[in-house]
Amino acid sequence: AQKVTQAQTEISVVEKEDVTLDCVYETRDTTYYLFWYKQPPSGELVFLIRRNSFDEQNEISGRYSWNFQKSTSSFNFTITASQVVDSAVYFCALSEAQYGGATNKLIFGTGTLLAVQP
Amino acid sequence: SQTIHQWPATLVQPVGSPLSLECTVEGTSNPNLYWYRQAAGRGLQLLFYSVGIGQISSEVPQNLSASRPQDRQFILSSKKLLLSDSGFYLCAWSVPYGGFSTNEKLFFGSGTQLSVL
Repeated sequence: AQKVTQAQTEISVVEKEDVTLDCVYETRDTTYYLFWYKQPPSGELVFLIRRNSFDEQNEISGRYSWNFQKSTSSFNFTITASQVVDSAVYFCALSEAQYGGATNKLIFGTGTLLAVQP
Repeated sequence: SQTIHQWPATLVQPVGSPLSLECTVEGTSNPNLYWYRQAAGRGLQLLFYSVGIGQISSEVPQNLSASRPQDRQFILSSKKLLLSDSGFYLCAWSVPYGGFSTNEKLFFGSGTQLSVL
């Protein structure tokens, strides 16, 4: 069965600190996709990244970086030099490859609330 | 460009009353459509998804139903609300399946905060 675990319920950091949000997933499929979404106080989920299971290269986008480790089934997200605007709930999600015509059903973790203090 | 509209933003309803939440997508054709619910302190749970007009799949048994009367319109309904229906409801869309699935990202609406009292 698919499952996503975000063990950190809340994290509080001071501006300019680095912070890592953990994500551990479970799946029996060899082909799957992992996602990170940001939910600011406004409520709308904002897409951050999608990674397929065959691409274990780490990715960096500005202050954001992602570390995908298949050996530990983890897809951790690091924010470097955090800013107050980074304050939000961050969700990790998993979807298994759908064949034969289907949809992209995301299984979400419970989210991590990140509070960046000025 | 594609946009997704969801309304109302907030809703307070008494127990036993009906519910209708609407979601529309612009700028794309034949999208896959989804309804998610986010209960307080919990993650997002997929409620329904649709791959076409009149085609609805339910993920969890519940007091809610969904309909897709038009290609880019997705409606979440209930005949009689329960207290447990309270939560934050999010509509989302993704590009339609095109052969080999690439599990495209979902685009979310701004959500509806439903309080059942």
